Amino acid sequence: AQSVTQLGSHVSVSEGALVLLRCNYSSSVPPYLFWYVQYPNQGLQLLLKYTSAATLVKGINGFEAEFKKSETSFHLTKPSAHMSDAAEYFCAVSDRFSGNTPLVFGKGTRLSVIA
Amino acid sequence: GAVVSQHPSRVICKSGTSVKIECRSLDFQATTMFWYRQFPKQSLMLMATSNEGSKATYEQGVEKDKFLINHASLTLSTLTVTSAHPEDSSFYICSARDRGARLNYGYTFGSGTRLTVV
Repeated sequence: AQSVTQLGSHVSVSEGALVLLRCNYSSSVPPYLFWYVQYPNQGLQLLLKYTSAATLVKGINGFEAEFKKSETSFHLTKPSAHMSDAAEYFCAVSDRFSGNTPLVFGKGTRLSVIA
Repeated sequence: GAVVSQHPSRVICKSGTSVKIECRSLDFQATTMFWYRQFPKQSLMLMATSNEGSKATYEQGVEKDKFLINHASLTLSTLTVTSAHPEDSSFYICSARDRGARLNYGYTFGSGTRLTVV
């Protein structure tokens, strides 16, 4: 079974500061990993995904994440937080070898950005 | 890019009535649709998986007679909450797998439906 653990249900940063949202995964097979953002009462928007190519993945809105197999981690970072980054962020994992398995989500991390 | 149109975005219904939520894939064929439920300030919990033309597979603890899923075509899947009760109030989100996508690349989410049962 696959799972992801997001450390910290709430992260608060100052505008312009580094954003670091942590995600650790557990998977018996090589995983595909995703980060999604959700604004209130909206669906999920894909920020970036790791699919076994480069371990450093760049996404939209200046976000990036690095896949570290030795640490089973896929932390999300952004060098400088913007007020518009305040939202809920979800890390998700999928089985790369099965075509129709659903994403398994972490519990989410709410990011607050302080002016 | 691939888009999934989900309607309605918000619905309020009386206890005991049924509500239908639609998810349509635009410009692509969705061979598989996943239905999730999200309670306030919580993560997405998978309810069921449906493949076009087949019966849906429900997760443990999800009542299949209460949450009816139909995936009759490659572009439309529906979730009907039957005899809704206040505890069914939640945010429901669909996610479609693109038939033409490479493995695990093509997950597209709908914008969600906020269901309130009064």
